[in-house]
Amino acid sequence: QKEVEQDPGPLSVPEGAIVSLNCTYSNSAFQYFMWYRQYSRKGPELLMYTYSSGNKEDGRFTAQVDKSSKYISLFIRDSQPSDSATYLCAMSADRGSTLGRLYFGRGTQLTVWP
Amino acid sequence: DSGVTQTPKHLITATGQRVTLRCSPRSGDLSVYWYQQSLDQGLQFLIQYYNGEERAKGNILERFSAQQFPDLHSELNLSSLELGDSALYFCASSVAATLSYNEQFFGPGTRLTVL
Repeated sequence: QKEVEQDPGPLSVPEGAIVSLNCTYSNSAFQYFMWYRQYSRKGPELLMYTYSSGNKEDGRFTAQVDKSSKYISLFIRDSQPSDSATYLCAMSADRGSTLGRLYFGRGTQLTVWP
Repeated sequence: DSGVTQTPKHLITATGQRVTLRCSPRSGDLSVYWYQQSLDQGLQFLIQYYNGEERAKGNILERFSAQQFPDLHSELNLSSLELGDSALYFCASSVAATLSYNEQFFGPGTRLTVL
């Protein structure tokens, strides 16, 4: 079992839809939770990060972390065609030998059609 | 543009060969990470360097090696290449390795094709 599980999709939605992307994980040492966006033939870029449990909002994007369920989510409101990309969740511990190392989900490919 | 540069963009080579991928981190970043991205495995951590020293190792094969030079650029060497080594190789950099969190900035990647 991989430490981070993410449904690869693909996910296809109409413009303006609310998109929900999710990951589950097994390592209780993870404390930092990130969402990266990767456009085709580009490197991943950080979208949002949160520490421990809770919600974080940035414009049309909301990240949620539920550590009790080992489940994280990214919501995209009013989705736009420019949001079409692969979204990768990533996690890291805040101490120990794996400090700084990121564990990624496989990524969910999202297409928003006009 | 993340500020991380990687060369070459594309590499096509044959099985059994050896290649070197190069990465220049963002100005001021001391830590460099190498990742492999394939369709079946996703983005996998290979190795991390901090200020010239190896800091952490992930699922890196013995045929692969890396180093970080005094000017902080890094090279990933892949030898005895196999078809299964075909993948995107990303380099990322961050300010430090000892902070509990520091953002990793990814380069554009090198696409390696082994024929």
